Amino acid sequence: AQKITQTQPGMFVQEKEAVTLDCTYDTSDPSYGLFWYKQPSSGEMIFLIYQGSYDQQNATEGRYSLNFQKARKSANLVISASQLGDSAMYFCAMRERGTGNQFYFGTGTSLTVIP
Amino acid sequence: GAGVSQSPSNKVTEKGKDVELRCDPISGHTALYWYRQRLGQGLEFLIYFQGNSAPDKSGLPSDRFSAERTGESVSTLTIQRTQQEDSAVYLCASSRTGGKIEKLFFGSGTQLSVL
Repeated sequence: AQKITQTQPGMFVQEKEAVTLDCTYDTSDPSYGLFWYKQPSSGEMIFLIYQGSYDQQNATEGRYSLNFQKARKSANLVISASQLGDSAMYFCAMRERGTGNQFYFGTGTSLTVIP
Repeated sequence: GAGVSQSPSNKVTEKGKDVELRCDPISGHTALYWYRQRLGQGLEFLIYFQGNSAPDKSGLPSDRFSAERTGESVSTLTIQRTQQEDSAVYLCASSRTGGKIEKLFFGSGTQLSVL
């Protein structure tokens, strides 16, 4: 089974609107971390936000927030007030305490912000 | 330097040739990862180094792939007898300790094209 599933290969959003990028994960480890990375056309991966499995509150970083629904094993990224510079690939990733070393990445969602 | 540096940024080679890819991690980062990203795909874990511990090579796809790292410095990923299926972007990432919540800092990658 896939550790990380991103079901939206491509998304479009109007500038200044909010958008939600979906991510579901699969783990039996009670201790894990969830990450979102942005990959612009330049290719570099940029860390956006982190959510720990024991965190009580949803993580927020500026215009980014993570809608963490533990029972549903989902960790959707919400981008508020979209900007043209948000156009990029977005990857959801997970690291389990048990497996330690590996970050499992999803296949990504391509976001295009329309002016 | 301030970030993770990879070289070369682009490499075109003929099938059957050996290639060597280089990664300079952020100074002080003990953990170093190599990932492969095929076109339109997510990130595929290859190998992980943590300080002077034995590397986690569980992601290397075949014995044609090897990587080395001396201490907490530069790492090289070597692909012998390259095949067309090796064509991909090879991403290097580092983090301070390799802990569960440690975020990864990525380089811009090496685009490898095997003709």
